[in-house]
Amino acid sequence: AQSVTQLGSHVSVSEGALVLLRCNYSSSVPPYLFWYVQYPNQGLQLLLKYTSAATLVKGINGFEAEFKKSETSFHLTKPSAHMSDAAEYFCAVSETGNQFYFGTGTSLTVIP
Amino acid sequence: EADIYQTPRYLVIGTGKKITLECSQTMGHDKMYWYQQDPGMELHLIHYSYGVNSTEKGDLSSESTVSRIRTEHFPLTLESARPSHTSQYLCASQTAGGFSQFFGPGTRLTVL
Repeated sequence: AQSVTQLGSHVSVSEGALVLLRCNYSSSVPPYLFWYVQYPNQGLQLLLKYTSAATLVKGINGFEAEFKKSETSFHLTKPSAHMSDAAEYFCAVSETGNQFYFGTGTSLTVIP
Repeated sequence: EADIYQTPRYLVIGTGKKITLECSQTMGHDKMYWYQQDPGMELHLIHYSYGVNSTEKGDLSSESTVSRIRTEHFPLTLESARPSHTSQYLCASQTAGGFSQFFGPGTRLTVL
């Protein structure tokens, strides 16, 4: 069965500090993994995806994530937080690329 | 401009009313999805379609129905709305061979 666990429903960082949002997955086969961002009153926007190529994936807005099979993790990082990064972030997994399973989300607050 | 649209963005209705949430995409994507999103919860897949005249129910039990008569249009209908249907509904589309889902802005439904 596929599932995603996002540790920490709320994360606060200071502007300029490292952003680390955690995601662990469960999958019976090599998965496809995704990070989405959602701003208030908007839909989800794809940040980055892992589809079995390079384990370090770079996305938009300076975000990147590393697929670690041994840890079943796909944590999202950004070296320096910006005020505009404040949003809800969702990790998702798919075994087939057809149906996607999302985590419960992590709300990121950036403190000026 | 290629995009995915949802109307209405906000809807407040009384119990027992029949409603249809509209979703249209101009990207020519074969796959379309409806998710239900509640605060602090993962997105729940309620319906999906892999092409015209193809519809399936998702993991979340739902009293809604969908249709896919045209590639670009994937409306969701509630025959008799109840307060338990109060939620945000997100529509998404995806190319047949791709892994990325594109989301609409959502419809926030309140049933009184």
